[in-house]
Amino acid sequence: AQSVTQPDIHITVSEGASLELRCNYSYGATPYLFWYVQSPGQGLQLLLKYFSGDTLVQGIKGFEAEFKRSQSSFNLRKPSVHWSDAAEYFCAVGAANFGNEKLTFGTGTRLTIIP
Amino acid sequence: DAGVIQSPRHEVTEMGQEVTLRCKPISGHDYLFWYRQTMMRGLELLIYFNNNVPIDDSGMPEDRFSAKMPNASFSTLKIQPSEPRDSAVYFCASSSGHQETQYFGPGTRLLVL
Repeated sequence: AQSVTQPDIHITVSEGASLELRCNYSYGATPYLFWYVQSPGQGLQLLLKYFSGDTLVQGIKGFEAEFKRSQSSFNLRKPSVHWSDAAEYFCAVGAANFGNEKLTFGTGTRLTIIP
Repeated sequence: DAGVIQSPRHEVTEMGQEVTLRCKPISGHDYLFWYRQTMMRGLELLIYFNNNVPIDDSGMPEDRFSAKMPNASFSTLKIQPSEPRDSAVYFCASSSGHQETQYFGPGTRLLVL
């Protein structure tokens, strides 16, 4: 069974500072990995995804993530955060085999931006 | 593109009542997912459909929950009878293929008193 761990429940960052959100996954084969963002009262929006190829993935809103197989990690980064980045961030893992469309989500990391 | 549409956005009901949540997926998408989000359990997949057929309902908590997809543009999630522990935000999402991006609706916030 696949699983995702987001060890940081809440992170506070100053506006303009860099950001890294941690994600560790457990899956028996090559995973499909996703980062979603949820603003208050909204649904989830995809930031980026990794299926194969280049392990550094670029997403929307200036985010990027790096897949490290040896560490079973898929950490999300942004060089300079903006106040509008305050939200909850979810890492998710999916199966590569056709016929299995389930995504397993982490418990999320809430990001607070301070001036 | 209207996105995934869910109704109602908010529902307050009393324990024992039947609750029906509705979802209209993005046109052309052949996968539809129902999720539940709570503080205690996070975001859980309840059930998903492919081409209107339920594929995996292993996340449905108990027989009080049922989901249908009578056609490609409509799905319902029904809780009967509802209980206070069913209080949560229920999301519907749709996608266009294998592990393609899931597009989420705005959610239905359910409160069972």
